[in-house]
Amino acid sequence: SAVISQKPSRDICQRGTSLTIQCQVDSQVTMMFWYRQQPGQSLTLIATANQGSEATYESGFVIDKFPISRPNLTFSTLTVSNMSPEDSSIYLCSVDKGQGGEQYFGPGTRLTVT
Amino acid sequence: DAKTTQPTSMDCAEGRAANLPCNHSTISGNEYVYWYRQIHSQGPQYIIHGLKNNETNEMASLIITEDRKSSTLILPHATLRDTAVYYCIVSLAANAGKSTFGDGTTLTVKP
Repeated sequence: SAVISQKPSRDICQRGTSLTIQCQVDSQVTMMFWYRQQPGQSLTLIATANQGSEATYESGFVIDKFPISRPNLTFSTLTVSNMSPEDSSIYLCSVDKGQGGEQYFGPGTRLTVT
Repeated sequence: DAKTTQPTSMDCAEGRAANLPCNHSTISGNEYVYWYRQIHSQGPQYIIHGLKNNETNEMASLIITEDRKSSTLILPHATLRDTAVYYCIVSLAANAGKSTFGDGTTLTVKP
């Protein structure tokens, strides 16, 4: 298994600003994943972050809006740039640490953009 | 990843078994069935996964049909704390981190 922490747990931000979310894992992992969960909806994968290479973004998500860093095997950040109210969501990071590919998720960052 | 179909919602009496079905008729031979749950305002929690055989752990049992086109997650003695959205996902193990989450089943355990 894996223990994952995220900072901040929640934030209220003004439109046009940016927020960087941190994700820390208690052990080294190859890939980390960032998801978004909009109010009342299911999870949507934003991107996959590998250490030492650029993140791979899913359709509908771009690096300019959601830049990701992965400086080492236990840490990643997701920045939500130039925020609008539509970016109000829970942002979650995860890792597939399990031997069978099972995922472990962080507690999420609840972002409200006003 | 194969698509899954789950009922939108289910109720269960506290102390009784909760049986959550999932259809995955297009599953391929190497794809696993994974179950997660998300309790309100928390990150999803891994429950169990399997390939062909039935699996059991301290949280739940997973029953996969012989043709692998459907499965059932069983919570043997549901408690109020099991109220959550339950997600059934089918994926290759190597791609499990890039899972497609559907709408899941909202399980409400009632006293």
